[in-house]
Amino acid sequence: SAVISQKPSRDICQRGTSLTIQCQVDSQVTMMFWYRQQPGQSLTLIATANQGSEATYESGFVIDKFPISRPNLTFSTLTVSNMSPEDSSIYLCSVETGISYEQYFGPGTRLTVT
Amino acid sequence: AQKITQTQPGMFVQEKEAVTLDCTYDTSDQSYGLFWYKQPSSGEMIFLIYQGSYDEQNATEGRYSLNFQKARKSANLVISASQLGDSAMYFCAMRESPYNTDKLIFGTGTRLQVFP
Repeated sequence: SAVISQKPSRDICQRGTSLTIQCQVDSQVTMMFWYRQQPGQSLTLIATANQGSEATYESGFVIDKFPISRPNLTFSTLTVSNMSPEDSSIYLCSVETGISYEQYFGPGTRLTVT
Repeated sequence: AQKITQTQPGMFVQEKEAVTLDCTYDTSDQSYGLFWYKQPSSGEMIFLIYQGSYDEQNATEGRYSLNFQKARKSANLVISASQLGDSAMYFCAMRESPYNTDKLIFGTGTRLQVFP
């Protein structure tokens, strides 16, 4: 298994500002995923982050709005830029360990944009 | 395109009873994996159980079992002996390959409430 931590756990931000969310894993992992869960909705993948390469974004998500860094095999950041109230969501980091089929999630970052 | 359908927005079950949460999926792939996650009000996603498309037996993990009917493309979660702590959102998800390195597609979820 993998133990994943995220910072911050929650934040309230003003529109127009940016927030960087950190994801730390207790072991080296190849693939890291960033998901968004809007209020009352299911999870939607934002992007997949591999170490040493550019993140791959899903349809509807762009790098200028959600830049991602993946400097090493245990860490990634997601920035939510120029925030609007529509960005209010839970943002979840997820990893696959490459050992088993399981995909693990971090505790999430609950973001509210006012 | 892959799709996951959960038709039960909410379910109620009495403590100690069993409950089945429905999940159907649509894919043209022969090789895929099916997952169930639990999301308490805290927001974390807790992995419950996994079923690979080539697994002949239904997966079980403690009080959780997955009723896998491949021909009907269904992967229902059965929770036996429900506990008050089982109250949460439950999401069914699919990955195109039973192996790693691919995203999960999630259903809309079912909110389970367990009452005494």
